[in-house]
Order: sequence, then structure tokens, then C-alpha cells
Amino acid sequence: GQQLNQSPQSMFIQEGEDVSMNCTSSSIFNTWLWYKQEPGEGPVLLIALYKAGELTSNGRLTAQFGITRKDSFLNISASIPSDVGIYFCAGQSFISGTYKYIFGTGTRLKVLA
Amino acid sequence: EAGVVQSPRYKIIEKKQPVAFWCNPISGHNTLYWYLQNLGQGPELLIRYENEEAVDDSQLPKDRFSAERLKGVDSTLKIQPAELGDSAVYLCASSLGSQPTYEQYFGPGTRLTVT
Repeated sequence: GQQLNQSPQSMFIQEGEDVSMNCTSSSIFNTWLWYKQEPGEGPVLLIALYKAGELTSNGRLTAQFGITRKDSFLNISASIPSDVGIYFCAGQSFISGTYKYIFGTGTRLKVLA
Repeated sequence: EAGVVQSPRYKIIEKKQPVAFWCNPISGHNTLYWYLQNLGQGPELLIRYENEEAVDDSQLPKDRFSAERLKGVDSTLKIQPAELGDSAVYLCASSLGSQPTYEQYFGPGTRLTVT
């Protein structure tokens, strides 16, 4: 099935570093969502963005809804070991009278203490 | 409050055998989703229910997959017969409604291995 492009695919960073990842699409979305998934668990919502250009923070996380509505960015500041996991973006659109959600391929984050 | 409950957590079956997964959503959540997550990929929607009604099953392979949500609460996803390519994690999620402002809460998933 269709998946959104996320980059980087994986990254190793030192504790305390800032992290940036992005998600791109050829389609326009009305909502962008960012999730974190840890081993053996389902994804957990981190941030939801509802308006083009919107910038939203949740603690050390900041995400932006791209102006073109075709991309979104997630930044994590001062990373800590518990930030380890897979980060997924998801785009939402309203097609043929129903809400559609498409997830990205994921960015795997590993933090070196 | 309990989260989304799924069982079993793990299932190993031989190809051509049937298998069923069960999901109990968060109490009061009208919308229920079943997702397929292949290794190294993001979740892909299989089917979405609004109460008892399947409102989006466009991605459900109907030749071998079926789902039901009797009484608009618990749901069961079935595969018959299973194929090797069905090995994946099957995630259930629920939300108060289907609008984007309602957060989806995911269960831990059922990891299916078909041998």
C-alpha cells in the first residue's frame, strides 16, 4: 500500500543532540500526525497539526505542518535515551466522503549515551 | 482506564490454516480500526468501523480476510486461509469518532507468523 516518504530512515545520535526528521508526500493533506512506536507496542500520538504553516510543541518535541501541505517536520531537542524508538508521520485527507490516513515508512532513532 | 486490548499477542500457524484476532477498544470509543504493519513499515489501514458499520474496507483483501464488530464494541479480524505473506503485526486502534481531532489509541498488536 501507499506509504509516505520519511527521512532519514534511521539515525544514531549522541545524548543531548538535537534531532530533525521529515515526511514528504506528492499529495496534499489536511492533517499531519506524528507518532512514536516502541518495541512490542502500538504507535502513540506525539503531536497533531491541523493547519498549513502551524508550528506546535510538546515538551522537547516541535513539529511543523508544511506550507505546501505536502510535508511535515519533527524536531527533538536535547535527546535522551528514552527517545529511542521509531517515529512515524501520518497524513490525513478527506476522500470520497471518508477520512483517509496514510502512514510514513518510519525513522528509527537510536541514542548513544 | 484500560487501553485497547488485543489477543493473542503472538500467533504462529502453518500456511492455509485459519487465524483470528480479537480487539476490545477503549470504552465509549465508537470508531475502531484494524491496521496491518509489515516489518520496517508503517501501519496500513485494513478496515474502519463506525459502531457496527464497516465504513471503509477498501484496503481489506476480501478473498481471505473478514472482520466483524458485533454490537459495536469488540471486533474480530479473520484470515482464511493464511498465506506466508500475511506474516506481520496486526494492530487495532480506537477513537471517540473518525474526525481527525479525535486521537487514535493503538493496542499492542498481534504478531502473526505463517510458516
